[in-house]
Amino acid sequence: DTAVSQTPKYLVTQMGNDKSIKCEQNLGHDTMYWYKQDSKKFLKIMFSYNNKELIINETVPNRFSPKSPDKAHLNLHINSLELGDSAVYFCACSAGGPLEQYFGPGTRLTVT
Amino acid sequence: AQSVTQLGSHVSVSEGALVLLRCNYSSSVPPYLFWYVQYPNQGLQLLLKYTSAATLVKGINGFEAEFKKSETSFHLTKPSAHMSDAAEYFCAVSFKNYGGSQGNLIFGKGTKLSVKP
Repeated sequence: DTAVSQTPKYLVTQMGNDKSIKCEQNLGHDTMYWYKQDSKKFLKIMFSYNNKELIINETVPNRFSPKSPDKAHLNLHINSLELGDSAVYFCACSAGGPLEQYFGPGTRLTVT
Repeated sequence: AQSVTQLGSHVSVSEGALVLLRCNYSSSVPPYLFWYVQYPNQGLQLLLKYTSAATLVKGINGFEAEFKKSETSFHLTKPSAHMSDAAEYFCAVSFKNYGGSQGNLIFGKGTKLSVKP
């Protein structure tokens, strides 16, 4: 079984559209994350979330919003997509604190 | 501010040669350090981690790294490169007590390792 899964793997859409990326983890971890990897491979935290607290990186536009229907899922909603949103988005999870994180396979988003 | 610097965006070695990927961190609190590997079109896989126990850490696929506090370094090494080691490698740091952001990984910009036959 895949520990962290994401759907879809590829997402091509037009500017102005609203889209969602789904993430599911079966490790029973309390904390989940979203990262953005740009074209230069740089990885940056967007959100961290557990059942108590959502921490948002202040540089993330409010067009991005995480939604967690339950402990095993953290979906990413993006409104009014822009060209600059094109990137690979990774979901990750950990048991909390400074422990290692387990990453999903990524979703390559292309905005045209 | 906490940060990670990876020296060399691209490292090329011959098969069988020593692999050395450099990572330096900046931190005002004790760090937790990680190396991740990313193969093309895949997610990140943990290679090894340092969490304040032994300073020489062994990971998967024959890799190891040594935490040197005096040098604020956590360089990744492998004695003999294999073609299958070709990938992007990321050094990352996390902190146990860092306000509300504990657990967040701060990544270096990555080093692409190429292995020549």
